[in-house]
Amino acid sequence: GAVVSQHPSWVICKSGTSVKIECRSLDFQATTMFWYRQFPKQSLMLMATSNEGSKATYEQGVEKDKFLINHASLTLSTLTVTSAHPEDSSFYICSATQGGFNSPLHFGNGTRLTVT
Amino acid sequence: GESVGLHLPTLSVQEGDNSIINCAYSNSASDYFIWYKQESGKGPQFIIDIRSNMDKRQGQRVTVLLNKTVKHLSLQIAATQPGDSAVYFCAEKETGNQFYFGTGTSLTVIP
Repeated sequence: GAVVSQHPSWVICKSGTSVKIECRSLDFQATTMFWYRQFPKQSLMLMATSNEGSKATYEQGVEKDKFLINHASLTLSTLTVTSAHPEDSSFYICSATQGGFNSPLHFGNGTRLTVT
Repeated sequence: GESVGLHLPTLSVQEGDNSIINCAYSNSASDYFIWYKQESGKGPQFIIDIRSNMDKRQGQRVTVLLNKTVKHLSLQIAATQPGDSAVYFCAEKETGNQFYFGTGTSLTVIP
């Protein structure tokens, strides 16, 4: 149980275009989803926290107009990288939790974004 | 944010030996801890968790130890196998849903 599906697993796009990444909780309802960015050989950097039906909370330094997050249902959150640039190339990972005391995070398998 | 750090960035062990990965945390209010395994190109995978009212928890070949006095968490892997080679992260949670992750330890198992 507790499967999180992230799609696509990799994407290559041209500079200036937008890319949408989907994160779905397949067998549970995710009250909260998190989006992370990970650079090579580094830890996970939290970008934003999204709760179903409300605006995402962005971490300091993360541009909300560039990284659009939508959490339209209890099983789906999307991250759109708008007007992507090569410096946005990275590994993006989503996670979801059912919420509540001692409820672990379950992660998707990540999306490798390459902007040319 | 809170600092959650790992003592060793890399660890190499011989196949069949036991591995111990350590993690220090700084927030005494943290009440829930998780160890994750991340293989190259994949998302982190849940290994084992422990609540703050416990000091030890065992799973299949893994044991997590929690020492709240010194704010230290460890993951022990018994009879380490090549498939255990990965980066291991500890994560802590206070109240609410936000987790804080350590910097990670890269475990290499030598055949």
